[in-house]
Amino acid sequence: DIQMTQSPSTLSASLGDTVTITCRASQTIDSWLAWYQQRPGKAPKLLIYKASYLHSGVKSTFSGSGSGTEFTLTVSGLQPDDFGTYFCQQYHNDSPTFGQGTKVEI
Amino acid sequence: EVQLVESGGGLVNPGRSLRLSCIGSGFSFGDYALGWFRQAPGKGLEWISYIRGRPYGPKPEYAPSMRGRFTISRDDSNSLASLQIDSLTTEDTAMYYCARGNPAIMGYYFDSWGHGTQVTVSS
Repeated sequence: DIQMTQSPSTLSASLGDTVTITCRASQTIDSWLAWYQQRPGKAPKLLIYKASYLHSGVKSTFSGSGSGTEFTLTVSGLQPDDFGTYFCQQYHNDSPTFGQGTKVEI
Repeated sequence: EVQLVESGGGLVNPGRSLRLSCIGSGFSFGDYALGWFRQAPGKGLEWISYIRGRPYGPKPEYAPSMRGRFTISRDDSNSLASLQIDSLTTEDTAMYYCARGNPAIMGYYFDSWGHGTQVTVSS
């Protein structure tokens, strides 16, 4: 299995801040990485696929970068509905795996 | 609008079986992979299985830790994906989600998710 490690586990931020979350893969996954947002009590929502492609309908304040083993998700100008937990997922092979999540809180 | 609706969860005794269902609408169901995931209380997302759509399928894949007790299937004529879980234990207590998969070279990312169905295993 490809292991995905996110950092930090928890991130405290304020409205208007720009925050960055890192996801590291245990082996190269090229650009086969997705990011999801999950608000409390809700289902996950796709934000970004192929490391940097914004999913349809997602705010442009979200951006992704990276390739190989290191990736970042940046959220610019935090708004109230941006708080929640963010997960990365690799899909380099037929066995997808997730990072443990990063909780973004006030 | 793409929609996925899960059902079939509930309170079950250890050792019993359960069959979860996922009905899709708003898209050409048979053309997409369908995946099942779970999330235990306060924990992260865990992939269980997915089943490929046309033209790759309906070949299933399972997470290594899920092989044996979980069986995925699909009925494209009814836009239905199912997950059978056998020999339930308390560790299977979780919210179970289905999601639509988009193919890449080898794997899938998941662009639409249902709201989930809660499975609680307790005597």
